[in-house]
Amino acid sequence: NAGVTQTPKFQVLKTGQSMTLQCAQDMNHEYMSWYRQDPGMGLRLIHYSVGAGITDQGEVPNGYNVSRSTTEDFPLRLLSAAPSQTSVYFCASSPDGGDTQYFGPGTRLTVL
Amino acid sequence: AQKVTQAQTEISVVEKEDVTLDCVYETRDTTYYLFWYKQPPSGELVFLIRRNSFDEQNEISGRYSWNFQKSTSSFNFTITASQVVDSAVYFCALSEREGNQFYFGTGTSLTVIP
Repeated sequence: NAGVTQTPKFQVLKTGQSMTLQCAQDMNHEYMSWYRQDPGMGLRLIHYSVGAGITDQGEVPNGYNVSRSTTEDFPLRLLSAAPSQTSVYFCASSPDGGDTQYFGPGTRLTVL
Repeated sequence: AQKVTQAQTEISVVEKEDVTLDCVYETRDTTYYLFWYKQPPSGELVFLIRRNSFDEQNEISGRYSWNFQKSTSSFNFTITASQVVDSAVYFCALSEREGNQFYFGTGTSLTVIP
């Protein structure tokens, strides 16, 4: 049981490049979410999904896209990277929205 | 408005001292859940506890204890006899029944000095 996995662990992008952060879970959880963590700001919700085919915006969705075609996977796409998107990104999953969220190890992204 | 407030940004204590981390939340829901997570220097987020709004009983787990008071909208976390391994950033979080969103506080960085 791997739990929540994220790839890559580290990534450096140039301004304007696009990329996808991968997230997968093997716990058959319906709820998945993406957060970014910035110094002094805690974790802020980017997007979340309550099940396959259903996604919604969180607190800071601009510049990011998500899709949920399967229960297991919830990729986060940066369409045109900006230096303001330099952050640590965490994916999480839980059985439903009110339940304990289990986090992946994080992806450290730097945009130059 | 911030739904979860952790007013203590950084705390330093000497090993074996007790320390309390404060968490104040704001919600209009009658059904909600409160959480504490630990983020050690290695960076992962570790779940510590989940409480629902109908259970105000305090909880103790080893050296950790939690005090949930609805009257003051607080969910404080106490570490007794702190150890160096307790050094981490601790996050309090709120999940409301309506909306399916988690709200995290900005975290309290705890340093335990040997």
